Amino acid sequence: AQSVAQPEDQVNVAEGNPLTVKCTYSVSGNPYLFWYVQYPNRGLQFLLKYITGDNLVKGSYGFEAEFNKSQTSFHLKKPSALVSDSALYFCAVRGSSGTYKYIFGTGTRLKVLA
Amino acid sequence: EPEVTQTPSHQVTQMGQEVILRCVPISNHLYFYWYRQILGQKVEFLVSFYNNEISEKSEIFDDQFSVERPDGSNFTLKIRSTKLEDSAMYFCASSERTSGGPQETQYFGPGTRLLVL
Repeated sequence: AQSVAQPEDQVNVAEGNPLTVKCTYSVSGNPYLFWYVQYPNRGLQFLLKYITGDNLVKGSYGFEAEFNKSQTSFHLKKPSALVSDSALYFCAVRGSSGTYKYIFGTGTRLKVLA
Repeated sequence: EPEVTQTPSHQVTQMGQEVILRCVPISNHLYFYWYRQILGQKVEFLVSFYNNEISEKSEIFDDQFSVERPDGSNFTLKIRSTKLEDSAMYFCASSERTSGGPQETQYFGPGTRLLVL
């Protein structure tokens, strides 16, 4: 069965410091991996995805994520956090065939402190 | 930039009542989805829809739920007889069609918060 784990409910980081939001997954076959961000009273906004190719993918707002097949991880990173990055971040996985549904993690609340 | 829109943003209903949640997907998208998020829990897949029929559904999507594309722009989720446990945020999403099926990225609306009393 497909699953996604986000082990941290909340991550606190000082503005200007690098941030990492962790995600591990379990899926049969090749995974399609996604990060979404949710601001208050807004929908889930797409940040980035890994489908194939380079393990380091770059997305919106300076975010990037590294796909690690051996560790089944897809951690979200940003070199220098902004206060405006404070939001709820969701990792999601989709199988590469037979299903198009996303399986979401429980979400990680990122708090960037000024 | 095109967006998925949903109405209403909030809905309060009495247990046993029917509710219809509405979504307007991005205009050139042909795959549509509903997800829900019970407060404090993860976002869960309900159903996907393509070519006027359900292509996949979860065990949550029982006979109380139905989906419809009544016209060229709207996509609706109906709950026939709401239960307390249907209280959740409901997200609509859409994706483009490619030669191999839906494009991988799904674009989500802002959600409808449903409260069943």
